[in-house]
Amino acid sequence: NAGVTQTPKFQVLKTGQSMTLQCAQDMNHEYMSWYRQDPGMGLRLIHYSVGAGITDQGEVPNGYNVSRSTTEDFPLRLLSAAPSQTSVYFCASSRTTRTGELFFGEGSRLTVL
Amino acid sequence: GNSVTQMEGPVTLSEEAFLTINCTYTATGYPSLFWYVQYPGEGLQLLLKATKADDKGSNKGFEATYRKETTSFHLEKGSVQVSDSAVYFCALSEGSNFGNEKLTFGTGTRLTIIP
Repeated sequence: NAGVTQTPKFQVLKTGQSMTLQCAQDMNHEYMSWYRQDPGMGLRLIHYSVGAGITDQGEVPNGYNVSRSTTEDFPLRLLSAAPSQTSVYFCASSRTTRTGELFFGEGSRLTVL
Repeated sequence: GNSVTQMEGPVTLSEEAFLTINCTYTATGYPSLFWYVQYPGEGLQLLLKATKADDKGSNKGFEATYRKETTSFHLEKGSVQVSDSAVYFCALSEGSNFGNEKLTFGTGTRLTIIP
């Protein structure tokens, strides 16, 4: 019973490097999203998708790119990493029935030096 | 825009103490309200929810009542256990017309229960 799987769990980057955080869910959820969690700021929405081929920006999209080619996968790309992107990133998914219940992955801790 | 304000932590209590974590919100329309919990090393998981005024959400001994008149959704538990140690997040959605696509979270309250 995998649920939402994120990889990698930990990553250290140098400023300017690029990388992709992977997210996969096996619950056939239409809605997927990425949040970042920073001390004293709670969770902030980066990007979200309401279905394959459809993505939209959240509250803090700058410096990040997403695509949704399949229902299962929703990767988050950092184009040119900056120290301000040091954070814990969470992927979440849900059904479209507006229950408010997001299912979260375990998180990916990213450090940019 | 929408916002959620939680009491700042950390909160430290003894086992079997009464717990209250305050949450107030600002929103247009009629939001749904949620409490999520994050145990150490894990992602967030839904603890309880309420979708309209005067609704009471409950789960695992925790309760919260949607108070429209005071724009509040305080989390309570009568007798906490060590296993309740976690970070608790209050959140709201933009309303029934928008569903849960954009949840707005509070900053989280870290709770530690001492045996």
